Amino acid sequence: EPEVTQTPSHQVTQMGQEVILRCVPISNHLYFYWYRQILGQKVEFLVSFYNNEISEKSEIFDDQFSVERPDGSNFTLKIRSTKLEDSAMYFCASRRGSSYEQYFGPGTRLTVT
Amino acid sequence: DQQVKQNSPSLSVQEGRISILNCDYTNSMFDYFLWYKKYPAEGPTFLISISSIKDKNEDGRFTVFLNKSAKHLSLHIVPSQPGDSAVYFCAARGFGNEKLTFGTGTRLTIIP
Repeated sequence: EPEVTQTPSHQVTQMGQEVILRCVPISNHLYFYWYRQILGQKVEFLVSFYNNEISEKSEIFDDQFSVERPDGSNFTLKIRSTKLEDSAMYFCASRRGSSYEQYFGPGTRLTVT
Repeated sequence: DQQVKQNSPSLSVQEGRISILNCDYTNSMFDYFLWYKKYPAEGPTFLISISSIKDKNEDGRFTVFLNKSAKHLSLHIVPSQPGDSAVYFCAARGFGNEKLTFGTGTRLTIIP
């Protein structure tokens, strides 16, 4: 069964550094998402992406964040200058155009020191 | 943001019995609801969903019930199995939105 994959599984970075989290969505899916979960808190929506542009974003997704689909398979989340409070699990998700179910990847644990 | 609430942080159920997980919501613009299961260090796994035009959806051992007037949904798992032990999240999608709003989760433990 096709799955969403994410790399790396764990990323440690210093405050102020840029990080890029990578995702390969399920191949015939058209909508792509990033969510995050800070330890002990809810899963929170960051951004959705469709037809090569952002279709929706949350108030968390400020100018420090950007997303890109650089080729036909990868979907990336960039954080330009990481802060301590960016430490979280980041989940990528995707869905087909014909249904609303979002399928999640295993996540990247980002630790900012 | 308390639009989706799961008031029971944990639930223990004997193997073979029914597990009932509950979820309440406040936003009347939600039109699609999903249940996800999550193991530690893994991403949420989609289980079952229901549109707001229905009141029940069944898939194998999993049934979701929606009571729109009460803004309440529940997930029934029958019979419960040890592999069902996980954290279960309720999520909701608003009409015309892409974002899913998640509840805080209920940790289900199946006792052999």
